[in-house]
Parts: sequence; C-alpha cells; structure tokens
Amino acid sequence: DSGVTQTPKHLITATGQRVTLRCSPRSGDLSVYWYQQSLDQGLQFLIQYYNGEERAKGNILERFSAQQFPDLHSELNLSSLELGDSALYFCASSVGGEDYGYTFGSGTRLTVV
Amino acid sequence: SQQGEEDPQALSIQEGENATMNCSYKTSINNLQWYRQNSGRGLVHLILIRSNEREKHSGRLRVTLDTSKKSSSLLITASRAADTASYFCATGPISSGSARQLTFGSGTQLTVLP
Repeated sequence: DSGVTQTPKHLITATGQRVTLRCSPRSGDLSVYWYQQSLDQGLQFLIQYYNGEERAKGNILERFSAQQFPDLHSELNLSSLELGDSALYFCASSVGGEDYGYTFGSGTRLTVV
Repeated sequence: SQQGEEDPQALSIQEGENATMNCSYKTSINNLQWYRQNSGRGLVHLILIRSNEREKHSGRLRVTLDTSKKSSSLLITASRAADTASYFCATGPISSGSARQLTFGSGTQLTVLP
C-alpha cells in the first residue's frame, strides 16, 4: 500500500457518459497530480493541485476537469466520454518540495464501450 | 509530449546479469528520477538524482547523469526475476513555486529470465 488511494479500481462505461475518479493523497502530501497512461501516448500529465489550488495544467481535454478539496482529496471528472478516453488514470502525490519523488496510487482502469 | 526517451524499448537478460537502461531528455532539468512499474500497477519511485550530481547509488541501483549530453543511465546489478517491470525516467522542471510536474519517458520493458 503506497498510501495513495484511488477509487474505483475499474470502471466500464458507455460513450457519452460522465465519470468521477477519486484520489486520497498520502498523509502530509499537499500536491496531487493526475496522469493518463495509454499504450499509444504513454504517461501524460493532466493537472496538478497544491493545497487546494490548481498549479499546473498539461494535456487535459476541455471535457475533463478536476478539483482538490479542503481535506486534500482530489477528483477527476471525465465527461462526454469517447472510446479514446479508455486508459489507466493515475493519481500521485508529493510533499510539494523541489527534490521529492511522487507516490503513485494503483490507478483506475477506465474502459469506454 | 514525452520529454525523456528510454533506450532500449525492451531488454531481456538472464538472472544475475546486469541491466542498463538509458534516458535522453530535451530541456534543462532540476532533477531526474527513475520509476518502476509492474504490469498494470502504479509506478514506484526508485531514485532521484539532482542536476548538480553525477552519480548516485541505492542498493543494487546505480544512476548516472550527464547534463551536458542531457542523458542518464540506470544500472541494475545482479538482476532478479522480480526486477521484471517497465522502467521510466522522469524529469523535474526548473521552476519556481509549487508547479512540480514530472514529464515521463516512454519506458524500457525489462524482462529477467530465471
């Protein structure tokens, strides 16, 4: 157990639907990062939150949004889902300092049918 | 887009042999990190090397960094079947503030045969 909790582990949904992925960071970590991993694109950075505020944005589609709540857990919302959104979605956390690695959750495998 | 590119894409060795993976990147960095991912699982942080360091050791791992060539290598000595996994390099940007997103390479799939 890495200390980063992601739910659900698996999600199967239809095209056009909306889903919410949840992440609880490791205790004491203020930064939360969301990544998408697919076979053709590799690991793509989506978005970072630090202590409740958005800090950096990567290749995140307009159909996707995220937020970090006062208790530091984060949610990634994916809407108008397309087949190409099928991927592993990872959440990672870190203390937020310069020379710290990330702690990853076990991921949510999203399948859009 | 990928900042780092690992080489080779796949590597197969016998148990007990050493495994070397290379990573090249494009922009200036603050640090470089290596991660391991077992199939379908989350990534696990292995080691971090700062831009002003040239070599770092952790157990059976040895990492080198050459900022002039924008490259790094990860050496796993005396490999074991349990080392079978994908290995990714990740670069940390030079930035101020709290924007610290890592950019990951495409990974090397290591298979250690018993």
